[in-house]
Amino acid sequence: QKEVEQNSGPLSVPEGAIASLNCTYSDRGSQSFFWYRQYSGKSPELIMFIYSNGDKEDGRFTAQLNKASQYVSLLIRDSQPSDSATYLCAVGNTNAGKSTFGDGTTLTVKP
Amino acid sequence: EPEVTQTPSHQVTQMGQEVILRCVPISNHLYFYWYRQILGQKVEFLVSFYNNEISEKSEIFDDQFSVERPDGSNFTLKIRSTKLEDSAMYFCASSTGTAINSPLHFGNGTRLTVT
Repeated sequence: QKEVEQNSGPLSVPEGAIASLNCTYSDRGSQSFFWYRQYSGKSPELIMFIYSNGDKEDGRFTAQLNKASQYVSLLIRDSQPSDSATYLCAVGNTNAGKSTFGDGTTLTVKP
Repeated sequence: EPEVTQTPSHQVTQMGQEVILRCVPISNHLYFYWYRQILGQKVEFLVSFYNNEISEKSEIFDDQFSVERPDGSNFTLKIRSTKLEDSAMYFCASSTGTAINSPLHFGNGTRLTVT
């Protein structure tokens, strides 16, 4: 079983729609969860992080965490073509600093 | 906004040669990392560094790899004898705290090509 698993893509949504990206993790002791966006050929950039169960909203982005189900998701409302990228779920579970990344889900927003 | 800077942006080397990848983390950050991403694959953890020593390393980070913070600003990754499979994008990252409570700030990466 992969440590961090993301829904296989690619995911394609029309402009203005809601994009839903999912991630599950295997280490029940994981404490912090991050979503990064990576444009092709570029480095990952942080979108959101979440530590507590429930929802966290930031503009058009909402992260949802359910530790009992070991599940974290990212919703993108009013998707824009500029949101087209690969979205990486990362889990922080050690005090030493290691974050474990999923394979990523590639999102395409069609105008 | 402060950023992590990496040099060079692209490094081509021959198999068996030594390479040094350089990074300047964000100045008030305390934790430093190297990750790599082979083309089309996921971002993989190599090593974390705190208080002038390695705090954690992955299976990938074998004896061919070493890290150093030679002065107050630079953080380097050395690969002693490069292999073809070392070809990848290498990302330096830094954070204010551990992975438990701090997101990573990535540099733009160094694309290493081993021929």
